[in-house]
This record gives sequence, C-alpha cells and structure tokens, in this order.
Amino acid sequence: NAGVMQNPRHLVRRRGQEARLRCSPMKGHSHVYWYRQLPEEGLKFMVYLQKENIIDESGMPKERFSAEFPKEGPSILRIQQVVRGDSAAYFCASSPVVLNTEAFFGQGTRLTVV
Amino acid sequence: GENVEQHPSTLSVQEGDSAVIKCTYSDSASNYFPWYKQELGKGPQLIIDIRSNVGEKKDQRIAVTLNKTAKHFSLHITETQPEDSAVYFCAASSAGNEKLTFGTGTRLTIIP
Repeated sequence: NAGVMQNPRHLVRRRGQEARLRCSPMKGHSHVYWYRQLPEEGLKFMVYLQKENIIDESGMPKERFSAEFPKEGPSILRIQQVVRGDSAAYFCASSPVVLNTEAFFGQGTRLTVV
Repeated sequence: GENVEQHPSTLSVQEGDSAVIKCTYSDSASNYFPWYKQELGKGPQLIIDIRSNVGEKKDQRIAVTLNKTAKHFSLHITETQPEDSAVYFCAASSAGNEKLTFGTGTRLTIIP
C-alpha cells in the first residue's frame, strides 16, 4: 500500500475550478487504475491506463474528466469545472502485469468542492 | 457487467470470536476474488485473494472460500482482535477485464 504514492492527500477546490490528482505507481508496475469512493460507499472503477495508453475508461464521466499516464512521470486524473458532486475520495491502484492480478492502492486524494 | 453483493453491511463480534463476511457475484467469467481492508482515512489494503481454480485459501487467522457453482465467496477471520476493526470489501474481476468490481463493504467492529 505504501508503495503507490498519491498527492495531494487533501484538495479543496471551489466550484468551477480544475482539480489535478497525481499517482505514482509502485516500482516496476506499469498498470494504473483510478477508483472513486463516495462517503460510506464502495469503490467504483473509473479508468485503467498503461503507459501512454487508455485501456478502459468505461467508468469515467464523458465530460470534464480525463486521465493520462505519460511515458515519464505520474498518472494524472484531471477534473475540469468541478461541481459539489465531485467531492469524494479518489484512489489510484497499480499492478505489475495484466490478467487480473494483485492491485495495490494508494492512500487516496480526498477532494472537497466548496 | 459484473455485480457484486456483500453482506452484512455491519458486523459486531466479541474479541476472540470469528467473523464471516459473504459476497456473491453475477458474472460466471469472473476468476479473481480479492479482499481488501480499509481503515479510516486510508486506502484499501489487500489482505487475501483467491482464484477460481482453488476452493479455499488460508493465511494465519484469515481464510477465504469460493463456491464457483453458487457464485459466492466468503471471508473468515478467526480469533478476532481489536485491530481487525475496519471496513472490509470484496471484489471480483475476470481475465481480459482488468477492473475490479467491489462490494458495498462491511463495517466490522470487534468488541473488547
């Protein structure tokens, strides 16, 4: 768990601003997943990326949300023009290989939209 | 798509007793079933997992059982301790579909 680094841990944005969440996977991992958790709820899949490729974005809203995992640097989840309903905990997970293997989560970024 | 149901939503047990959490899944293609423990303010921590070619797996006080025919799997914690208090999530995924589908969680409280 400690190996997946997310920052910031807490992020406060006013409605209409942009939120940028960063995730550095564990060393040696090339697969990154983003999940959203609303208070008192389970985790919902948003997007699955490999280096420079979006593999599955079926859980991500079509508007305002985007994700990338560049060749160099962390994966970024970007939320444009945030609304109150975007307030949630956003978790990143990474895994070393394909074919549904162990995924390790970071500590999350708690986004609050005011 | 896959749907995972988890029961109970809350569970309180006396310290030293056993706790059992149950999940069912809908997609017969699912073949990987991890369990995560989430403490307040932290990310989910993988505690045990099982694949569909195995019926049971044990790691010290924690065990998971899988019934592929009935499409359900369970987490068993024996000799519970106060530090076991947390929210537990089951999940499922299938080969070629890398995303995890999570259950809604069970808040486990160990009573000293």
